[in-house]
Amino acid sequence: AAGVIQSPRHLIKEKRETATLKCYPIPRHDTVYWYQQGPGQDPQFLISFYEKMQSDKGSIPDRFSAQQFSDYHSELNMSSLELGDSALYFCASSLKAGENTDTQYFGPGTRLTVL
Amino acid sequence: GQQLNQSPQSMFIQEGEDVSMNCTSSSIFNTWLWYKQDPGEGPVLLIALYKAGELTSNGRLTAQFGITRKDSFLNISASIPSDVGIYFCAGYSGGGADGLTFGKGTHLIIQP
Repeated sequence: AAGVIQSPRHLIKEKRETATLKCYPIPRHDTVYWYQQGPGQDPQFLISFYEKMQSDKGSIPDRFSAQQFSDYHSELNMSSLELGDSALYFCASSLKAGENTDTQYFGPGTRLTVL
Repeated sequence: GQQLNQSPQSMFIQEGEDVSMNCTSSSIFNTWLWYKQDPGEGPVLLIALYKAGELTSNGRLTAQFGITRKDSFLNISASIPSDVGIYFCAGYSGGGADGLTFGKGTHLIIQP
């Protein structure tokens, strides 16, 4: 079965640079979520989109923004990168318009390293 | 915000032993999810629980959604080497809040 696709898998940036992470949800899923996971930590919810509209917002820094496009893929844009932004970034997707809508399936993640 | 207390933090067991871990919360959740994560990879969904009292199995894994909706446990029977990894519980509260609340994880280590 098709899974969530994320690109790139690894990204190295310098401080103050910008980064764009991409997420392609499971086909027919209408909702995407972004999470950040620091070393040895649990995933922390950043933001979600349902039908291309922002649905919920978690602990996303003001330097970060995201959007969902007409084909349901999503991009997380990160500006003025800081050393503390180094982490694994996961995208998850779900189908809200159906039964058991809260089941989120995660992608393989993007490892961002800020030097 | 909401917090999940997951225990134990780590487990050192022998191959073939049974494993039990649990999560508790002071808040009610509508859905409990159990994930397994290997180093550098994304969490993989193991079991999803949608109703209070629900008991669900997936092969050697069994999980239950507590009656109070504030807790859940995961059991693994007859552990094998590929069970090594970090297991996370996650709760979904709904009501417009999309993000999952995760426990801190249980690190399972299997000694040969």
